[in-house]
Amino acid sequence: NAGVTQTPKFQVLKTGQSMTLQCAQDMNHEYMSWYRQDPGMGLRLIHYSVGAGITDQGEVPNGYNVSRSTTEDFPLRLLSAAPSQTSVYFCASRPAPRTGIEQFFGPGTRLTVL
Amino acid sequence: AQSVTQPDIHITVSEGASLELRCNYSYGATPYLFWYVQSPGQGLQLLLKYFSGDTLVQGIKGFEAEFKRSQSSFNLRKPSVHWSDAAEYFCAVGARYGNKLVFGAGTILRVKS
Repeated sequence: NAGVTQTPKFQVLKTGQSMTLQCAQDMNHEYMSWYRQDPGMGLRLIHYSVGAGITDQGEVPNGYNVSRSTTEDFPLRLLSAAPSQTSVYFCASRPAPRTGIEQFFGPGTRLTVL
Repeated sequence: AQSVTQPDIHITVSEGASLELRCNYSYGATPYLFWYVQSPGQGLQLLLKYFSGDTLVQGIKGFEAEFKRSQSSFNLRKPSVHWSDAAEYFCAVGARYGNKLVFGAGTILRVKS
């Protein structure tokens, strides 16, 4: 099991550029989430999904889009990058509540927007 | 409102000394509580979790945490700290039927030899 994988590990964008952060999990987890981590603020939820075809907004969704066409993949799209989106992005997955409560995190993507 | 407070931003302890990291939460439903550790440049690793049963839970790497409902606390402890424990520690609270974890701001642990 690779667990939760994220690509790329590092990315530098210019203001206004768009890009997609990739996330995949091989644990057949139904729930997947995207968080951003900023110094002194812990992790904050951007978007989440409770299954293929189902997504919803988290705490800080503005400027980001998600889709979930398969159980395994949950890409995060930045539509028009802004310096305020400079952060470390973590993808997480967890099983359905009937089977477990723990969230498993990927290694993160460090994004800098100039 | 759901929130997690970690009152200490930085803590420095000597190697071999005991450690306690504080966590207080505010949560409307039955809380599911977690402690994660993050080494520099790395992802988050789960140390331990609590959702029911014995209020003293054991985790990996010799860590334990005690859930105190009356104090809305879930403090992390370790009897003897090793230099390799230097990292940032996050307390988080969530619900069984939900995808959102609410994280504290983190506590950075420094270990001096």
